[in-house]
Amino acid sequence: GAVVSQHPSRVICKSGTSVKIECRSLDFQATTMFWYRQFPKQSLMLMATSNEGSKATYEQGVEKDKFLINHASLTLSTLTVTSAHPEDSSFYICSAHRRGGPPDTQYFGPGTRLTVL
Amino acid sequence: QKEVEQNSGPLSVPEGAIASLNCTYSDRGSQSFFWYRQYSGKSPELIMSIYSNGDKEDGRFTAQLNKASQYVSLLIRDSQPSDSATYLCAVRTGTASKLTFGTGTRLQVTL
Repeated sequence: GAVVSQHPSRVICKSGTSVKIECRSLDFQATTMFWYRQFPKQSLMLMATSNEGSKATYEQGVEKDKFLINHASLTLSTLTVTSAHPEDSSFYICSAHRRGGPPDTQYFGPGTRLTVL
Repeated sequence: QKEVEQNSGPLSVPEGAIASLNCTYSDRGSQSFFWYRQYSGKSPELIMSIYSNGDKEDGRFTAQLNKASQYVSLLIRDSQPSDSATYLCAVRTGTASKLTFGTGTRLQVTL
């Protein structure tokens, strides 16, 4: 299998606070993890690519100081939304590429729905 | 021109019919192609991957790739109401390992 978990599944926070989202590959080692954001009725937008032990690569327009990504091990990556504002409310989804797996194949976590009041 | 294009739909097909979903991409050098299914409020689920020209079948699903026409499609045979979802086409473009997603086609299978 290729199971990816995310925690929490849903979070509501006040404006100005920070929120950390965890992404774990449960039964495989992930060479690369990806973080996406999806607004209602829109497609997935890649925010950043995260490799274990190195700095994340952010997509154009994504503020690296606001969306902090840490990829501490081959099975865990975290996304911290700092000083969250209502416009950051969205569905955040991580995915992982399995070491030795089919080329370029990404397995998605269940997503985290963030609501900023 | 968008890198990966899909008709947003909705595509409505009766139960038992064949649903045909299409996707075009702009990067002629693309090598890896994927179809994901996404139910409302859920994350995408991998259905098929295809890397070479031709057809690839897996159960009721068939992916078709034509690199010359820069076109990839997904056929769903014997469509079921549970197939009603948004289908996302994803393509690896460029040298990085990241995927570019289309906006998705919403499929409705009617009774």
